[in-house]
Amino acid sequence: GAVVSQHPSRVICKSGTSVKIECRSLDFQATTMFWYRQFPKQSLMLMATSNEGSKATYEQGVEKDKFLINHASLTLSTLTVTSAHPEDSSFYICSARDAKIQGSNQPQHFGDGTRLSIL
Amino acid sequence: DQQVKQNSPSLSVQEGRISILNCDYTNSMFDYFLWYKKYPAEGPTFLISISSIKDKNEDGRFTVFLNKSAKHLSLHIVPSQPGDSAVYFCAAGSPWGTSYGKLTFGQGTILTVHP
Repeated sequence: GAVVSQHPSRVICKSGTSVKIECRSLDFQATTMFWYRQFPKQSLMLMATSNEGSKATYEQGVEKDKFLINHASLTLSTLTVTSAHPEDSSFYICSARDAKIQGSNQPQHFGDGTRLSIL
Repeated sequence: DQQVKQNSPSLSVQEGRISILNCDYTNSMFDYFLWYKKYPAEGPTFLISISSIKDKNEDGRFTVFLNKSAKHLSLHIVPSQPGDSAVYFCAAGSPWGTSYGKLTFGQGTILTVHP
């Protein structure tokens, strides 16, 4: 099946640090990847849609300058949390759609997430 | 506002019995629905989906039912097994405009299947 690798799985760092999270599709190409954030006991909230070769589209209320997204290739998207603060501590998870499968209703394939803790 | 709701935070079922997980939605533009299963420290894995033109989709032990008029869907697992214990997320999508390909998730239901 389609595999999405997300790295790192856990990050603990000091306030003010910028943190980069990678999302890779291992056995398929993904023109579109999604970045979610999940707070404890809540649903996955879509932050942004990462589009290969073009700018990401952000959901309402998500700061573009805070959460930088780069989708430089068909298999890699990165999310950089810039100048992270304790309120940015959360579980971040990415997903990807297979570029070869048409239709809006194809399932997204998820990475295992990154637990970010800002001290 | 929460467009996809899973009102039961948890469900406990005996092995071999049926598990029924419920999901309600408010946005009538959603036209496909998916169920994902999530173990701790792992990402969600796709289980089963249904298009709005159907009212039932079956895959092995898993069946999803859709009631469009009630804006309600459910996932039935029969028979339930201890390995099914996980968090189950309902998700909905719309093919229209800027929503193309995006999913809206419910809060999840923790299923525990007792041996």
